Amino acid sequence: DVKVTQSSRYLVKRTGEKVFLECVQDMDHENMFWYRQDPGLGLRLIYFSYDVKMKEKGDIPEGYSVSREKKERFSLILESASTNQTSMYLCASSLLGRMSNQPQHFGDGTRLSIL
Amino acid sequence: GESVGLHLPTLSVQEGDNSIINCAYSNSASDYFIWYKQESGKGPQFIIDIRSNMDKRQGQRVTVLLNKTVKHLSLQIAATQPGDSAVYFCAERHTGGGNKLTFGTGTQLKVEL
Repeated sequence: DVKVTQSSRYLVKRTGEKVFLECVQDMDHENMFWYRQDPGLGLRLIYFSYDVKMKEKGDIPEGYSVSREKKERFSLILESASTNQTSMYLCASSLLGRMSNQPQHFGDGTRLSIL
Repeated sequence: GESVGLHLPTLSVQEGDNSIINCAYSNSASDYFIWYKQESGKGPQFIIDIRSNMDKRQGQRVTVLLNKTVKHLSLQIAATQPGDSAVYFCAERHTGGGNKLTFGTGTQLKVEL
């Protein structure tokens, strides 16, 4: 089974802090994704990556950046946290490259609160 | 029972009954669809997928039906069990969109004993 592990289940940070969310997958997947999930809005894509050191903006990249130094690890960075970034953050991974009929597999999420 | 749309309605079914959860997708160019199940406090879990060149696919106790004419996707769960209680949502991938998915907001399925 695919295992996507997010380093923290719950995190509380203060406005203006730089926040790092970490995600690791153990199935040698090329694709990795970061989403946020808010009530009534579904999952919205923040950033994704098809390969090491490669990243592409999703639908809501503002206020976020990412890092993919190793194939198995994809980090989401909140450069200067704001209260509107309080949310559930979900990491996902999937096989193969740009055009792939493969499902994304998710971690259990990090519930981030910005005070 | 049935539930329609991409809002977050609630579908209540009796244990042992069949459940039908519906999804109206948005893009006629979508070529790949997935159903996910999300239990409270957990991430979305893959259930079943279907490509646009198919109209039906069956898994263990689940069937996905795709009607491209009306852009409609449904998930049928046979003999619904208490462990099926969760939020279910569909996802679609647009051709030309790489591996990006667009997700619906989901349907809450409640199984009554």
